Amino acid sequence: DAKTTQPPSMDCAEGRAANLPCNHSTISGNEYVYWYRQIHSQGPQYIIHGLKNNETNEMASLIITEDRKSSTLILPHATLRDTAVYYCIVRANFGNEKLTFGTGTRLTIIP
Amino acid sequence: GAVVSQHPSWVICKSGTSVKIECRSLDFQATTMFWYRQFPKQSLMLMATSNEGSKATYEQGVEKDKFLINHASLTLSTLTVTSAHPEDSSFYICSARIIPSYGYTFGSGTRLTVV
Repeated sequence: DAKTTQPPSMDCAEGRAANLPCNHSTISGNEYVYWYRQIHSQGPQYIIHGLKNNETNEMASLIITEDRKSSTLILPHATLRDTAVYYCIVRANFGNEKLTFGTGTRLTIIP
Repeated sequence: GAVVSQHPSWVICKSGTSVKIECRSLDFQATTMFWYRQFPKQSLMLMATSNEGSKATYEQGVEKDKFLINHASLTLSTLTVTSAHPEDSSFYICSARIIPSYGYTFGSGTRLTVV
């Protein structure tokens, strides 16, 4: 899997949009960008994934740059329950390849 | 959605005893499951890949005789920590790939404390 770089921590005010960046400059053409989050003492939760185009679901939006070397996860209206560690992972979608976690970004939502 | 049920959620055991952790895929068949370990304030580290009906594949540095993995059916994988020691105390998490969506779903984790 290609490596990703994320800031170790971020704060965001409750109700504001949280924008979490991820650098994946060595991503290859068949690799997707996945985002997961882990709330304290729970298993990781899937948020969103994409290949080239921007994606949106009920949880978040994923903005991928045209050169695919970086992406941003956007939580449009952050709540206190969004406080978690957010992991950006890139991997190809074939076989049963393992998911390798980096250090992630610890997002704290401030009341 | 696809759910992986992991049990127990926490367990305390004495040094030298063995502990079994179960992961069941509730509404889908999981031919492959992944087992992770997470120490406090650290990221998830993959321990092994469990394949239904065959031997598990262990990551470098993980003792296969200590961490026994069984994946006898398409809905159940187990991890047994044998002869547990305090340094085995950790948060253990299983995961399965969801086909055809290509996503992965995770169990809720098991916190093991060896005393």
